[in-house]
Amino acid sequence: AQKITQTQPGMFVQEKEAVTLDCTYDTSDQSYGLFWYKQPSSGEMIFLIYQGSYDEQNATEGRYSLNFQKARKSANLVISASQLGDSAMYFCAMRENNRLAFGKGNQVVVIP
Amino acid sequence: DTGVSQDPRHKITKRGQNVTFRCDPISEHNRLYWYRQTLGQGPEFLTYFQNEAQLEKSRLLSDRFSAERPKGSFSTLEIQRTEQGDSAMYLCASSFGQTNNYGYTFGSGTRLTVV
Repeated sequence: AQKITQTQPGMFVQEKEAVTLDCTYDTSDQSYGLFWYKQPSSGEMIFLIYQGSYDEQNATEGRYSLNFQKARKSANLVISASQLGDSAMYFCAMRENNRLAFGKGNQVVVIP
Repeated sequence: DTGVSQDPRHKITKRGQNVTFRCDPISEHNRLYWYRQTLGQGPEFLTYFQNEAQLEKSRLLSDRFSAERPKGSFSTLEIQRTEQGDSAMYLCASSFGQTNNYGYTFGSGTRLTVV
């Protein structure tokens, strides 16, 4: 069963604008962790941000913030002030046991 | 230590040949993971090591796949009798324990094309 759902089609965003990437997840665990990764065309998976299920505050890392709505099981990533270098695939992932389960990703293209 | 290194970056092989990939994790990381990523999909877990012990293997890891981490440092992933369906990006990641705030550090991957 799909654990992580990312259904948005490819997105175009104007430089300096904000963009929100949707992620919903499915788990019956009380303790879990959610991650967002960026994958540019070079292929490397770059860690962006982490949210623990018991964290009371939404996670923030620089221009990245996570809109965590536990009751709705959603963990949306917000990228503020988009830059051309933000063009990439973005993956939401959930830690289950000793592995990460990834969604299918969101394609973001930043246009000048 | 500049991160997780994978070698080679690209590999083209004929169907039926054997291939081997190498991963060098961050030196202080005791856990090492292999993932496979096909076009248009997110990475899928294959296997992971804690030190030299292989603790978990996915059902995706058929009998043609074998992974080792002989001294708890670098790891190799071998695919025997490659098939066209093996064409994918093979990603390695490492972590220290079950890390939280800093995630799992991934390498740049090995892109395999089976012709």
